[in-house]
Formats: sequence, structure tokens, C-alpha cells
Amino acid sequence: GIQVEQSPPDLILQEGANSTLRCNFSDSVNNLQWFHQNPWGQLINLFYIPSGTKQNGRLSATTVATERYSLLYISSSQTTDSGVYFCAVSQGGKLIFGQGTELSVKP
Amino acid sequence: GAVVSQHPSRVICKSGTSVKIECRSLDFQATTMFWYRQFPKQSLMLMATSNEGSKATYEQGVEKDKFLINHASLTLSTLTVTSAHPEDSSFYICSARVRGGDGSGANVLTFGAGSRLTVL
Repeated sequence: GIQVEQSPPDLILQEGANSTLRCNFSDSVNNLQWFHQNPWGQLINLFYIPSGTKQNGRLSATTVATERYSLLYISSSQTTDSGVYFCAVSQGGKLIFGQGTELSVKP
Repeated sequence: GAVVSQHPSRVICKSGTSVKIECRSLDFQATTMFWYRQFPKQSLMLMATSNEGSKATYEQGVEKDKFLINHASLTLSTLTVTSAHPEDSSFYICSARVRGGDGSGANVLTFGAGSRLTVL
């Protein structure tokens, strides 16, 4: 099956810093989503981005489908950005998750 | 926006008992729902695909007799963990595909808040 790899696995930032999270996938996909899982376990949709670039406030994402990777950018990080960020790709109607990047933003 | 409601959010049960978790789509119909399991500090693993009016499709390694899935209506899917044991303790999350869930018109997966099961 398809492999989804995220890096880095852990990231500690000082409030206000910028960061880039990466997601590599091993095969062609027709859907890619980025999620933020908060400390209570709730998964929040950040982006549906099978290709191209999208921005939403301090967050933006870029997927280069031909090279099989996606990047999530977080600018001016805040403590509320802490949590786990997952990318997930769809193949055959199923959404397969990467292992996540655990982000901790320190005040 | 579309909401997936999951209940209960937290349940503690004794070993050997059965536990039912409900997943409801609010304000939209979901012919397909997905059940995931997440152990601490790990990723989400797809357990099964729940299909309205037909049998669920289970992923390899998931015991269908232990994890009973029923999708009796277009807004409700249930997961029953039968004869639960401590190793079944986990965070169970359901999701449904919502058209235009991100405003783009695309089908995106929206998740419930999850159910944390602890088996004593």
C-alpha cells in the first residue's frame, strides 16, 4: 500500500517563529489533507490540497503532486498551534495517515 | 459547516463487557463512514469502512466479530466493541466524507471528536 512519511517527527518552537512540515508519499494520490489534532484529540481540517498552494491566515500549504510531497507552513507560531499535525492521502477511497509531526510552541 | 457527532466521548468498562460508540452526521447524509483507532503517541489506523445498508469493509487484521459495525441509516453508524479487553483500550474516531467540506466543492473527510475507551 501507499506509504506516507512526515518530517520532522517532533518540533519545538519559540512563539513567533516560523516552521515547515513535510509530507512525502510513495504513489499517486487523488486527495491530500492536512489536519491538526488538538490536545483533546479532535482532528481539525486545515487544508484539502491534492495539488497547488492554499493559504489560510498564518497557515499555508503546497502540494507538488508530480514529486509526491506536500509542505505545511506555519508562520508567527502561537502556543495554540501546539499539537500533532497529520497529513493524509487518499487512495482507493481510503484516507491513509502519516505518523504526524508533534509541534510544541513555547511562550 | 457539516458536523460529525460522536458519543460517548469517554467510556470506562470492565473486561468482558461490550461497548457501543455512535457516530452521527448532522445536517448531511453520509452513505459511507470510516472508523479509525489511535493508540497513544501513534497515528490513526483505519479499521473499517461503514456502508449504509450493507456490510462494513474491514481492513486487514481487524476482527469483524470483535468490532461490529452497523450503518442502519444515512446519518448513523455504530461501532460495538464486543467482549472488550484491556488491549482494546484506545481512542476511536469516526469520519464522514462531506462534499464541499472545505468550501472548494471537493469531498473532504470530517472527523468526530473521538471516543476514548478504557477497559479495566
